[in-house]
Amino acid sequence: DAKTTQPNSMESNEEEPVHLPCNHSTISGTDYIHWYRQLPSQGPEYVIHGLTSNVNNRMASLAIAEDRKSSTLILHRATLRDAAVYYCILYFGNEKLTFGTGTRLTIIP
Amino acid sequence: ETGVTQTPRHLVMGMTNKKSLKCEQHLGHNAMYWYKQSAKKPLELMFVYSLEERVENNSVPSRFSPECPNSSHLFLHLHTLQPEDSALYLCASSQDRQALGWMGLFFGSGTQLSVL
Repeated sequence: DAKTTQPNSMESNEEEPVHLPCNHSTISGTDYIHWYRQLPSQGPEYVIHGLTSNVNNRMASLAIAEDRKSSTLILHRATLRDAAVYYCILYFGNEKLTFGTGTRLTIIP
Repeated sequence: ETGVTQTPRHLVMGMTNKKSLKCEQHLGHNAMYWYKQSAKKPLELMFVYSLEERVENNSVPSRFSPECPNSSHLFLHLHTLQPEDSALYLCASSQDRQALGWMGLFFGSGTQLSVL
């Protein structure tokens, strides 16, 4: 199974962009890259996903490296409500999502 | 409003009690999941249901008994639990198991369980 590597924690200032990295050097050609986040006392929520091309939605942008061995979740303007644990997950068609330990993002006012 | 509702939000039970966790999804999804999240550990997949049929049981002890009476409801029946079973129990749904990759999982807020 392809694995992901994320920093344990990151800090960012409020109202500034945040770039959350994820390495997945053993990704295969059909693996989707998913991002979820878990706010305090909540279940995880879907943020974004992609396969090969960069993706944008109302929550974030996903930048995928050309070789697909890494990706970056971009929050364009962080707010205090973005403080959460962010999970980068590879989906490889086994009909389940396996969560790692993620990156705990702290937003500094 | 996530479309997946879990009750109760908090539960304290003794080791000899029997209790049930309830999950309801309002999204018209066909697959439902139970995950366990212990303190400082990754989420662990416990059970998967597809069209009300259990399709996966990840070596979960028999003191946890899931039930899926229809595609909108999922229960987790608990009996004779241990203190180490204290955790956040999360329910999730997806359009179907095959669509997981491109449509994702939708989670409830979880039930925080404490076993005394």
